[in-house]
Amino acid sequence: GAVVSQHPSRVICKSGTSVKIECRSLDFQATTMFWYRQFPKQSLMLMATSNEGSKATYEQGVEKDKFLINHASLTLSTLTVTSAHPEDSSFYICSARDMQREKLFFGSGTQLSVL
Amino acid sequence: GNSVTQMEGPVTLSEEAFLTINCTYTATGYPSLFWYVQYPGEGLQLLLKATKADDKGSNKGFEATYRKETTSFHLEKGSVQVSDSAVYFCALTSSGSARQLTFGSGTQLTVLP
Repeated sequence: GAVVSQHPSRVICKSGTSVKIECRSLDFQATTMFWYRQFPKQSLMLMATSNEGSKATYEQGVEKDKFLINHASLTLSTLTVTSAHPEDSSFYICSARDMQREKLFFGSGTQLSVL
Repeated sequence: GNSVTQMEGPVTLSEEAFLTINCTYTATGYPSLFWYVQYPGEGLQLLLKATKADDKGSNKGFEATYRKETTSFHLEKGSVQVSDSAVYFCALTSSGSARQLTFGSGTQLTVLP
């Protein structure tokens, strides 16, 4: 079964609204989680690294004020797309590293459509 | 920088057909290479990997050989099943860090009965 739960799987919102995506590790503690974005026909691109209890590390070109990441516990990281616009429509996916099993587990992704 | 170029889909095959999904890469140093699979409604799962040249990764009947001379890591399966229908991602990392994973664009495979 899934070891990383991502919710929601699909969201449609109006331009200007904010959308929160949750990523939970179900049976392990994840001090580090990763957020990716994929535009149609393009590669999955790393947006940011989410660190429990500290600020996220954003990749070049990703606006930290637009994509707010909160990693307040060892099992939950959230990505909030603030004031969403149609160009933010994309597939967002999270992953979490299980240090004990030395494996990376992925969520099932969130398809965001901004009208 | 690193990059992964993957065969564009979608790919549609009949059951028991032979599958090849091409993947080539550009990387500095000696990357590790991966194939991930995403079944409908699920997260990406590691399918197989190879960490050095000429290594062959294999799992569930899928194979891929790390070819340094052609910078390729093509995914193959001799006889696909309907249950193999999924999206397949080729990826590499030139360090041990998940932060440095570079993905291809994914290939949608549909296997018809």
